[in-house]
Amino acid sequence: KNQVEQSPQSLIILEGKNCTLQCNYTVSPFSNLRWYKQDTGRGPVSLTIMTFSENTKSNGRYTATLDADTKQSSLHITASQLSDSASYICVVRRAGGYNKLIFGAGTRLAVHP
Amino acid sequence: DGGITQSPKYLFRKEGQNVTLSCEQNLNHDAMYWYRQDPGQGLRLIYYSQIVNDFQKGDIAEGYSVSREKKESFPLTVTSAQKNPTAFYLCASSENVDQPQHFGDGTRLSIL
Repeated sequence: KNQVEQSPQSLIILEGKNCTLQCNYTVSPFSNLRWYKQDTGRGPVSLTIMTFSENTKSNGRYTATLDADTKQSSLHITASQLSDSASYICVVRRAGGYNKLIFGAGTRLAVHP
Repeated sequence: DGGITQSPKYLFRKEGQNVTLSCEQNLNHDAMYWYRQDPGQGLRLIYYSQIVNDFQKGDIAEGYSVSREKKESFPLTVTSAQKNPTAFYLCASSENVDQPQHFGDGTRLSIL
């Protein structure tokens, strides 16, 4: 079954600290993996996209990693800011078929001053 | 600015009533999508359209209907047959079904 599991469900950190969010997937065949940031009451916005051959990709203070062998990805946030408070959603695209995107349930991050 | 506009932001439905959620895009995208988001769950696909005058059911199409008469517009109707309509509804679009999706800011539907 094609699934995307994210952990933790929620996380609270202090401003300035780092954190890492996890994504495990069983989607096959794999096409790519994307991390989205979703602010409360808003639509998701893409942070990074990773294909099979990419191990690491950065977007400012966000760094995503992908291990296609173990089917795991992580999103590392450095020097967190209050504006990082949001849900972070891992989405895996399956190659072929009509419903190609499998969404994780997200990790809700709260950054406190 | 190009983007996707969903309206209204909040919507309330009475028992037995149909309601329509609007989604408009000016990105010149061929493909459009409707998702439902519930707490603790990933987004689930309701309907998608690859091109004007064509649309396909997603995983949870029962109780919903759509139309795609114009490239820019993909309205979603939540019918009285949908017994649990309370959710956050997200519309998205992409150049085609293989390209990244861009999302609107959603409509939150509640039952009176």
